[in-house]
Order: sequence, then structure tokens, then C-alpha cells
Amino acid sequence: SQQGEEDPQALSIQEGENATMNCSYKTSINNLQWYRQNSGRGLVHLILIRSNEREKHSGRLRVTLDTSKKSSSLLITASRAADTASYFCATDASSARQLTFGSGTQLTVLP
Amino acid sequence: DTAVSQTPKYLVTQMGNDKSIKCEQNLGHDTMYWYKQDSKKFLKIMFSYNNKELIINETVPNRFSPKSPDKAHLNLHINSLELGDSAVYFCASSLGLREQFFGPGTRLTVL
Repeated sequence: SQQGEEDPQALSIQEGENATMNCSYKTSINNLQWYRQNSGRGLVHLILIRSNEREKHSGRLRVTLDTSKKSSSLLITASRAADTASYFCATDASSARQLTFGSGTQLTVLP
Repeated sequence: DTAVSQTPKYLVTQMGNDKSIKCEQNLGHDTMYWYKQDSKKFLKIMFSYNNKELIINETVPNRFSPKSPDKAHLNLHINSLELGDSAVYFCASSLGLREQFFGPGTRLTVL
């Protein structure tokens, strides 16, 4: 079964709006990472948040982590058409030695 | 300079054939990975490998075998290809369990 599950599966917004994607996981983690995948390309790392952190920012990205609820959210502010992509969370579980990826959220930003 | 490269980008072959996909990273990373992404964009880890240890996802058929001639290369060899092997295969690398850098992917089509 998947360690990470993203919600929603698909999200369509207008340029300039904010986009929020959520990720839930099942086991204890060392860190949680978010990746972006443009169509036909490999994944690109966006941000890593450690299990003892609650919030992290990088440019227009804001990630939160709630270990008590085993969930994380990725907020993209002031979205652009170029943000259109699939977004994946990935967990580094405490007992594992590899990342487990979620099912992804397909974000479409309409110009 | 390409950080993680894969060849070929596209591979079309007949069922029953044996094929290899090559991966090279020039980042000096100690760990390399192979992932399979299906048509629903579900990303599944197949192998992770560093110079000390090979971790195999137990669901991967033994027709798939990773081969690492040196720390910068991790090739994927597939025997007796089946229709269900059609997918996009991604190579990735990392330093320990930090952020992973992905290759551009190899789209395998088995006819």
C-alpha cells in the first residue's frame, strides 16, 4: 500500500490564485519531501521538511508538517501557468532506507 | 551539464526480448535508484543501491536486475519482457537519504 496519499488527485485554478495540496502518510518518518513533475520529464525536488519542523518556506512554496496527524500540505502562492505539473510527496520512513512516493496531485493553472 | 542521464529515452521492443537501460550520474552521489512509473503516474521504487548494499523491492520480478559497473552508473537489465513491463522507468541518485535527483526517464513500450 502507498505510504503517501495526495489530496486532491487533480486541482484546476486560475493564474494568480493559491494552490494547496495535501499529503497523508501512515508510519513515523524522518523527513518528508515534495517533488514536481512536468509532463514527460523526471521529478524535481522542491523542498524537504524534517520531522521536528512544522513549517518551511522556499520562494512561493510553503510546506507544513503535522506529525500528530501524519499529514503535510504544500501551498503554492500566486500561481503561474508554469506551475502546471504533477506534485508528489515522498516520505523517508524511520524504518526504511528509501523514499516512498505518494500518488500525486495534478495541478493545472489556467492563464 | 546533465546531472542524471538515461539512455535510451524511448525503447520499443517485442515481448520476450531482453533489454537494458543505462543510467549515469555525475553528482558524486553514493546511492542510485530505479523507479517504475505506470500510466496513472504511480511511482514505485524498484531498487536502491550504494556501494555497500542493494535493496530490492520484493514485488519486483527477478527478470529485472540492476548492474552497477561503478559508483556513477546503475544499469537496469530486463529479461523476457512482458506487456505489463510497459511504463516509464526513472533513474535517480542521492547522497544518503537526502533529496533525489531524477533522470529524464525511459519510456518502454512492449509490443
